[in-house]
Amino acid sequence: QVLLQESGPGLVKPSQTLSLTCTVSGGSVSSDIYYWSWIRRPAGKGLEWIGRIYTSGSTNYNPSLKSRVTISVDTSKNQFSLKLSSVTAADTAVYYCARAFGYSSGFDYWGQGTLVTVSS
Amino acid sequence: DIQMTQSPSSLSASVGDRVTITCRASQSISSYLNWYQHKPGKAPKLLIYAASSLQSGVPSRFSGSGSGTDFTLTISSLQPEDFATYYCQQSYSTLTWTFGQGTKVEIK
Repeated sequence: QVLLQESGPGLVKPSQTLSLTCTVSGGSVSSDIYYWSWIRRPAGKGLEWIGRIYTSGSTNYNPSLKSRVTISVDTSKNQFSLKLSSVTAADTAVYYCARAFGYSSGFDYWGQGTLVTVSS
Repeated sequence: DIQMTQSPSSLSASVGDRVTITCRASQSISSYLNWYQHKPGKAPKLLIYAASSLQSGVPSRFSGSGSGTDFTLTISSLQPEDFATYYCQQSYSTLTWTFGQGTKVEIK
C-alpha cells in the first residue's frame, strides 16, 4: 500500500518561504516510472498543479508560480519537498503531494493534504 | 499552456439521475485526460485515466469518453455518495499539467 504524507508548518508569515515535505512509504521516489507532484487548493477555488519532479531530479513548474517554486527529492529519506518563496495571502491553501504513473495514468495516490495559512 | 474548461461549473441533480460533465482542452491532448472526484476534507480520488479507463475500485456507473479536445464524464445513476466536485486534468504536455476549474454536483 502506497502512502504519502505531507508535513510542515501550518502558518507562514507573508514574504517568507513556505516549506513542505512529502514522505512516501510503500513505494520508492527513486523509481523511474513515477512523477511526484505538488498540487494545492485555495479556499473556494479549484485544484492547481504546482509542479513535478522525476527521479532524475528533472523538474517542471506551473508558469504562474515558476519564479517562486523549487521542488527537490531526497532519495535517502524517500521524500520530496516543496519550497515556495515570497508568499502572500493568496498562497493560503490546502497543499497535496501526489504520485503520477507516467503521463497516461493520472495521479493515483495522494497525501491527505495539509492546510497552510499565510498570515502575520 | 494548455487550458482546460469544464462545463457546467455546478449542477443540481437527484439520486438516480444520469449526469454528464464536459471538459474541453485549448488544443488537442489526444487521450491524456484524467477525471477526479473531490470531497471536502479528503484527498482527490482518481476515477478515470487516459480518457476512458476506469481506475481500479471505481464503480462502473462512472465512465469517460472523448479524445482530442472534447471529453465527457458520465455518472449513469447518481448515488448519494457521488455528491462532490469533479475535475478534469490534462497530462499531455511535457512541461505542465493543468486541471479544469471543477464542477460541483449538488443535491436537487
